[in-house]
Amino acid sequence: QVQLQESGPGLVKPSETLSLTCTVSGGSISSYYWSWIRQPPGKGLEWIGYIYYSGSTNYNPSLKSRVTISVDTSKNQFSLKLSSVTAADTAVYYCARDEGYYGVWGKGTTVTVSS
Amino acid sequence: EIVMTQSPATLSVSPGERATLSCRASQSVSSNLAWYQQKPGQAPRLLIYGASTRATGIPARFSGSGSGTEFTLTISSLQSEDFAVYYCQQYNNWPGWTFGQGTKVEIK
Repeated sequence: QVQLQESGPGLVKPSETLSLTCTVSGGSISSYYWSWIRQPPGKGLEWIGYIYYSGSTNYNPSLKSRVTISVDTSKNQFSLKLSSVTAADTAVYYCARDEGYYGVWGKGTTVTVSS
Repeated sequence: EIVMTQSPATLSVSPGERATLSCRASQSVSSNLAWYQQKPGQAPRLLIYGASTRATGIPARFSGSGSGTEFTLTISSLQSEDFAVYYCQQYNNWPGWTFGQGTKVEIK
């Protein structure tokens, strides 16, 4: 079955850019939407944005000015970039397959914003 | 933005008892409502989509109901592994799918 794995730095300095990659295994990235979702410590879930395998995107309006999501179909990967990070961006970041609902999730990766 | 409000924030239930969790949308989301279970240190797990369809492998003791703005997740007989946080999520209205703030089901 399809599995997702997030990867990237666990520590990012304030004002820098957070970069994460999600690798899709056990299936093709084609024909689905793929999302990034985050969860600050002790808090709820926040959708960040999605990308279709063709490259079309949509972002949470509250983060839109700082977010870029891209896809590399040759590697079966999609990526997240979040610029100008602050401590408020400290969270567990999940990638997930987006069918409106999220039936397949990565295990999540913790990103801490600190100098 | 659609605001999803879950109640109660915490539900104390004894094993074997029934648990009823509520989720209210600030405007109609039709039946485009999902429920997730999250245990500490784990990713959320999809339980219900389409308001009432159980996801693959989800036990029959989990059931969902409702449409429009009012939704319910019922766990008919709580097992030890069911103590967790539960989230609802709408995927009907743009911009952006939105989650409720969660209900923690704890052992009474």
